[in-house]
Amino acid sequence: AQSVAQPEDQVNVAEGNPLTVKCTYSVSGNPYLFWYVQYPNRGLQFLLKYITGDNLVKGSYGFEAEFNKSQTSFHLKKPSALVSDSALYFCASYHENNNDMRFGAGTRLTVKP
Amino acid sequence: DVKVTQSSRYLVKRTGEKVFLECVQDMDHENMFWYRQDPGLGLRLIYFSYDVKMKEKGDIPEGYSVSREKKERFSLILESASTNQTSMYLCASSPTTLGLVRQYFGPGTRLTVL
Repeated sequence: AQSVAQPEDQVNVAEGNPLTVKCTYSVSGNPYLFWYVQYPNRGLQFLLKYITGDNLVKGSYGFEAEFNKSQTSFHLKKPSALVSDSALYFCASYHENNNDMRFGAGTRLTVKP
Repeated sequence: DVKVTQSSRYLVKRTGEKVFLECVQDMDHENMFWYRQDPGLGLRLIYFSYDVKMKEKGDIPEGYSVSREKKERFSLILESASTNQTSMYLCASSPTTLGLVRQYFGPGTRLTVL
């Protein structure tokens, strides 16, 4: 069965510093990979996706993610964090063969001024 | 602009009550989903529907049922609410199953069962 892991419950960074939120996946074949963000008392908002092609994917709000097949990772990155980036981030994978969508447990990002 | 709406943002019910959570999307999407979100567990799929009157069980369907009588509306029903169903419930929709690109989420309903 496929699964997604976010090894860090919490990530703290200072404003202006680069940030990384980690995600690893366990999926046979070629997964579709997603990042979503959830602000307080809101639903999930789509940030970016990887389906095929270039391993570096650029998304909303200056975020990007790198697909690494050998390490089965899809880490979310941003060169310079903003306080407004503080939120809960979810990685997700989808496998077309079995129509299965899986979410990680979430990582709470806190950016301090 | 794409929109998924949920009938209530906050709901408080008593143990044993029948609870209805409504979700409406205006994008003519075929697929609709109900998840529950709990700290440390992420999102877990309760049920999804890929067409009107069609439904499929997700990972945690026990204690829940769903109804999809119209394409735009997907209802989650708690037949007899229990305290362990206290959670945040998220509805989502997406276009056709094959070639899933992304899901669109509603704002969530925070349900408390006393």
